[in-house]
Amino acid sequence: AQKVTQAQTEISVVEKEDVTLDCVYETRDTTYYLFWYKQPPSGELVFLIRRNSFDEQNEISGRYSWNFQKSTSSFNFTITASQVVDSAVYFCALSEVATDSWGKLQFGAGTQVVVTP
Amino acid sequence: EAGVAQSPRYKIIEKRQSVAFWCNPISGHATLYWYQQILGQGPKLLIQFQNNGVVDDSQLPKDRFSAERLKGVDSTLKIQPAKLEDSAVYLCASSVDRLLYEQYFGPGTRLTVT
Repeated sequence: AQKVTQAQTEISVVEKEDVTLDCVYETRDTTYYLFWYKQPPSGELVFLIRRNSFDEQNEISGRYSWNFQKSTSSFNFTITASQVVDSAVYFCALSEVATDSWGKLQFGAGTQVVVTP
Repeated sequence: EAGVAQSPRYKIIEKRQSVAFWCNPISGHATLYWYQQILGQGPKLLIQFQNNGVVDDSQLPKDRFSAERLKGVDSTLKIQPAKLEDSAVYLCASSVDRLLYEQYFGPGTRLTVT
């Protein structure tokens, strides 16, 4: 069963527009971690953020912000005032704490963001 | 600090041939991961090492794939014999330890099986 769903396959925006990427996850664990990674055309996955299940406080880092809502099992990611360099595939991932899953990242299918000048 | 190193970056082989990929994690990282990323999909974990021991290889096709991390540092992933559906990017990642630390990824090896 798909544990992480990123329903948006591709989002195209014009530079300076805001873009929000949706992530819905599924788990029975009460303790888990959620991640966002960026994969630019070069192919290397770049870590953006880690959030544990007990910390629902939203976070802002520069032009990036994350909205974690346990009630809807969502961990959405917003890029404010997008730039061409933001063009990449963005992955949401889940890591559960159950013994056999400890440390195992389960990725969504990714959302391709295309920012045009 | 040097990142995760992988080689080769690209490999083209014919089906039924064998191939090996090498990964050198960030110095001091105890946990090493191999992922397979098929075009258009998210990475899928193949195997996870903690030091030189296997923690999780539940999604590794053991009839054709093997991996080792003999001295708890660098690692090799082998495919023998390769199938067309093995065409993918093979990503290596490392972390200080399991779960509590983020994983750092290498540039990957793009494998094409013809």
